Amino acid sequence: KAGVTQTPRYLIKTRGQQVTLSCSPISGHRSVSWYQQTPGQGLQFLFEYFSETQRNKGNFPGRFSGRQFSNSRSEMNVSTLELGDSALYLCASSSTGFGNTIYFGEGSWLTVV
Amino acid sequence: ILNVEQSPQSLHVQEGDSTNFTCSFPSSNFYALHWYRWETAKSPEALFVMTLNGDEKKKGRISATLNTKEGYSYLYIKGSQPEDSATYLCALISAGGTSYGKLTFGQGTILTVHP
Repeated sequence: KAGVTQTPRYLIKTRGQQVTLSCSPISGHRSVSWYQQTPGQGLQFLFEYFSETQRNKGNFPGRFSGRQFSNSRSEMNVSTLELGDSALYLCASSSTGFGNTIYFGEGSWLTVV
Repeated sequence: ILNVEQSPQSLHVQEGDSTNFTCSFPSSNFYALHWYRWETAKSPEALFVMTLNGDEKKKGRISATLNTKEGYSYLYIKGSQPEDSATYLCALISAGGTSYGKLTFGQGTILTVHP
């Protein structure tokens, strides 16, 4: 069974640009969540989608957005990139998003210059 | 704001040593506690999902216990091997409708096992 797949794995963007990251969850999983990891902050929750609906959102500015498609694949978008957005972005999937195992992808490394 | 605390921050042990780490969390509104092992350049690997007070789970040489009343979980590694070197993370899910898919992570314990 394929795991959680994230693309691209590495990217470099310039301040002010926007970026879109993609996540394909494990087959059959309907919950997809996104996390940001920076050296100082650890893993921080961005948002969670279930069956194309955003059920939960973390404490991030509106420049961070996401969506989920009918096949459960998800994208997250960051507009007007800032240097502080440089981070590892992790996607996770599970069947319910609650008490069962939540599986992570390898992440997308974003560098903003 | 939920505070999930892990101790120690880092640990160096010799091959063959047994070790344990602690994860502390608010005991109110507890729903589940997740443990992960995260090796550099890999995805976090799910170890355990613990939901019931008194839960004990085991996977090979790794085991975990849970005390929801006092708000802590222990992770034990018996006979550490160099391949156990990784960051070990615990993450809490609280009860309630605002918790869907939201893991609140501790800062992790970095384990280094020396041959």
